[in-house]
Amino acid sequence: QVQLQESGPGLVKPSQTLSLICTVSGGSISSGGYYWSWIRQHPGKGLEWIGYIYYSGSTYYNPSLKSRVIISVDTSKNQFSLKLSSVTAADTAVYYCARQDGLYYGLDVWGQGTTVTVSS
Amino acid sequence: DIQMTQSPSSLSASVGHRVTITCRASQGIRNGLGWYQQIPGKAPKRLIYAASSLQSGVPSRFSGSGSGTEFTLTISSLQPEDFATYYCLQHNSYPWTFGQGTKVEIK
Repeated sequence: QVQLQESGPGLVKPSQTLSLICTVSGGSISSGGYYWSWIRQHPGKGLEWIGYIYYSGSTYYNPSLKSRVIISVDTSKNQFSLKLSSVTAADTAVYYCARQDGLYYGLDVWGQGTTVTVSS
Repeated sequence: DIQMTQSPSSLSASVGHRVTITCRASQGIRNGLGWYQQIPGKAPKRLIYAASSLQSGVPSRFSGSGSGTEFTLTISSLQPEDFATYYCLQHNSYPWTFGQGTKVEIK
């Protein structure tokens, strides 16, 4: 079955760029019909959907983060990535990657999550 | 953005009891709603999608209903492993938005 695994630095300095990678195993990221998402959860808080990418490279970003977010895909490595620029302490969160089984069916497979702390 | 309001924010219940959680959308979302269970320290897990479709492998004591603006998650007989936080997610309109969560605790 498909599994997702996040990786990247656990500590980022304010004003720098947060960069995370999600590696997909057990299936191809180029499989049609699936979209690949990032979601975050602030400490002790609820969930925020960040955006998605399709294997072709088409994306959609949450307008609340759109000016700072880039999601990209590397089909040769079966990975997709998140870059969030100009981070502040408010970006400290657990970041999850997940698979959308279609444009309008929700998130069926999740990674385990990775904690990113923004601090000098 | 569509706002999702869950109620209650927390509840206490005994094993074997029936539990109902409600999610209301600020505007109609047809049947575009899912329910997720999160155990502390773990990623959310999908229980229900498209308002009432049970995710493969999820016990049948979980069920979802509703359409438009009001939705319900029901656990027919609460089990020890069901104590967790539950979130709704509207997946009808972008950007997708989550409810604030309902924490289910042992009574």
